[in-house]
This record gives sequence, C-alpha cells and structure tokens, in this order.
Amino acid sequence: TQLLEQSPQFLSIQEGENLTVYCNSSSVFSSLQWYRQEPGEGPVLLVTVVTGGEVKKLKRLTFQFGDARKDSSLHITAAQPGDTGLYLCAGTQGGSEKLVFGKGMKLTVNP
Amino acid sequence: NAGVTQTPKFQVLKTGQSMTLQCAQDMNHEYMSWYRQDPGMGLRLIHYSVGAGITDQGEVPNGYNVSRSTTEDFPLRLLSAAPSQTSVYFCASSWGTGNQPQHFGDGTRLSIL
Repeated sequence: TQLLEQSPQFLSIQEGENLTVYCNSSSVFSSLQWYRQEPGEGPVLLVTVVTGGEVKKLKRLTFQFGDARKDSSLHITAAQPGDTGLYLCAGTQGGSEKLVFGKGMKLTVNP
Repeated sequence: NAGVTQTPKFQVLKTGQSMTLQCAQDMNHEYMSWYRQDPGMGLRLIHYSVGAGITDQGEVPNGYNVSRSTTEDFPLRLLSAAPSQTSVYFCASSWGTGNQPQHFGDGTRLSIL
C-alpha cells in the first residue's frame, strides 16, 4: 500500500498551459516536501510545507498543504519546457525519522 | 562544494556477487539514507542513519546491509546480488532527520544479470 498517492502519474501538455498535481494520503503528515528530478540526476528540493492550510509560491509554482495535513497540491502556471521532469512528494509522520515518497508525476511540456 | 558523492555511477554484476555502493557527504550532516528507484515506484527507503554508529531499516531492507562508522560515509552493501535488485540507487543526507531538506547524490545505476 502506497502511503502517498500522486495523481496524475503522467502528464503531457503544451507550453503555456496550467496544471495541478496532487499528493494524497489517508494519514496525517507532520510535513510534506516536493522535489523535482531530471533524467540522470537526483531529486532536488522545491519546497517544504509544515502548517495545515499553508500556501507557498516559488515563481510560477504554487504549493498548498491541506488543512488536515493529509494532502498537498502543486500548481504550475504557464508551464514551460524547462518544467519538464519528475515531480515527487515526500512526507514524514509524527515523530518518525523516515521520509517516504510518492510514485511521482512525470511532466512533459512541449514547445 | 561536492555535496553528496556516490560511486560508482554504473555497475553490472552477476547474480550472487557482492558489492558495496559508496556514499560520502562533506556537509557534516547527521542524517543519511539510501533509496532505490524503480520505474513507476518512486523512491523506496532501504536503510537510514541518524548519526555515526546508528542505523535502522526502511521500507525495503532485505538483501542490503549498511554501517555508519563516520559522519561522512554511509556505504550500502549487497550481500548476494539478485536480478530483483536491478535499480537506480540514491543516497541522501540532511541536517536533523527525514523532515529536513534532503540533498541527493546523482545515483548509482546497478544491473544484475
């Protein structure tokens, strides 16, 4: 059973379109992180959200943590080819030291 | 800064062989971890360490051993390689524990024939 479910798993869009990727769980998380991974490289942290209802913006990327801290979303406005990559959410629960990942969403932005 | 360095970058093994994947970090991070990444599976935690001399199991520890004799190094050992262990392996490090930003290496691509 996957603790963190990401949807959609794949998305291919045209440059300029908007998109939202979701990260859902039936469990409460103390924090959620979003990473982006490009082919042949390790994941790179985009943002961490820790407070229920928190919204963070990173240029054209908007991240939201659900009020109940069971879900998160990533919205990209006016996607660009440079946004292409694998987007991963990851979280820790309670006092756990372990960081668990979702399966990821592979995004392709076509020029 | 080198960050997290993984060696080798690529490796091909035969079933039953053993090998050690190396991971070193130069950021004085206490927390280090090993993940494997398979198509459609995301990253799955193999083992982690909260400091020198302390290690613990993750989601998929079977077939792998780790040790942490220094803060800088966290090697992953495959005792008897199996085709199911064909994967891309990532090492990560951070301050504190898993809820802190993780710094990843570039991975080791391992094929078991």
